[in-house]
Formats: sequence, structure tokens, C-alpha cells
Amino acid sequence: AQKITQTQPGMFVQEKEAVTLDCTYDTSDPSYGLFWYKQPSSGEMIFLIYQGSYDQQNATEGRYSLNFQKARKSANLVISASQLGDSAMYFCAMRHNDMRFGAGTRLTVKP
Amino acid sequence: EPEVTQTPSHQVTQMGQEVILRCVPISNHLYFYWYRQILGQKVEFLVSFYNNEISEKSEIFDDQFSVERPDGSNFTLKIRSTKLEDSAMYFCASTDRPRTDTQYFGPGTRLTVL
Repeated sequence: AQKITQTQPGMFVQEKEAVTLDCTYDTSDPSYGLFWYKQPSSGEMIFLIYQGSYDQQNATEGRYSLNFQKARKSANLVISASQLGDSAMYFCAMRHNDMRFGAGTRLTVKP
Repeated sequence: EPEVTQTPSHQVTQMGQEVILRCVPISNHLYFYWYRQILGQKVEFLVSFYNNEISEKSEIFDDQFSVERPDGSNFTLKIRSTKLEDSAMYFCASTDRPRTDTQYFGPGTRLTVL
């Protein structure tokens, strides 16, 4: 069975610093996708970044990068140069057929 | 940029009533999904839909739930007899490739059951 674990219920980071949000997963299927979504207080789900299980390189999208360590089954999100607008819930998700989400990490960026 | 839309943004209903939540997926997408997020909790998969039939559903998606694509653009979730515990945000999502492509989420419908 698929399982996604986010062990950090809350994280704080100083504005302009980098922060890493942890995500580990468990699956027996060799083909899967890993995603990070941002959910601000307004409630919508905003896609941030995607990593395929066969991708050789770590995904990057602007200030977001995904530290993919396949052997360790981890897919941590790194946000560089944090901004106040980055304060939100962040969900890691894995897709094999359906999408399974972790419990989320609430990130607070301090000025 | 194309986006998934959902109506209404907020629905209030009495326990036992039927509700229909509506979604318009991105136009060239073929795979559709419904998710639920109870306040303060994680997003939970409900159902996936392709080629006019359910391809996968979770244990949450019991007989009180149904989905339909009544025309070429809308994708609906019906809850037949709402319960208090159905109060949640319901997200619709779509993609054009189910395994590896990003699912794009709509803004959600907040359902409140009184």
C-alpha cells in the first residue's frame, strides 16, 4: 500500500533563508510520481513541483527544488530565499493511480 | 492559462439533503478526480473517473456518493443524503496523463452540513 509521511507538523523560517520540508513515502511500485502542493489560508491547492520516479535529476521550479533520494524513499522540498507569502500548508503527495497526500507541514515565514 | 473551476464556492445544506458539486475540468484533460479535505486535516482521495466510468475509488466513496459527466464539460459529485461528517472542502482535479502528469486542482467547494 502507498503511504506518504510528513513528520513536521510545523516549521518556522526567517525571511530570505532556505527551508527544507521533509517527505518520505512507501510504495512497491517502480513507477510513481511525487508532487508538492501549497495550500494558503484561502484554501486552494497550488501545484509547486513534480518528480517522476524514473527522473535522473532532481526537479527544480524557480525557488523550489525537490531533493529526491530514491533509495531512501524521500522527496524533500527545498524552498530557497523564503518570502512572507510562502507561509502556508505544504502537502507532499504520491501518485501511482490515485493521489495520496501526507498530513502536511505548516510553514511560517518570519520577517 | 486554463484552469479547473468549481461551483458553488460554498454550499450549506441540511443533514439528509442531496447536494451536487460541480466541476469544469481543463478542456483537453481526460482524467478527473474528486478529493475531500476535512477542516484541518489532509486531503483524501475519493474517486477517479475516465472514459465515463469510475477507475478507482477509496473506502470513503460509499453508496451515498456518485459521480457523473453529464455533458462534455461538467463533472459532478453527488452526495445523496448528507451527514454532518460530510462537511469538508471538496476539490476537483484533472489531468491528461494519469500516472505521471500533474493533477490540477480547482479552488474547491466548501460544504457545510447543518
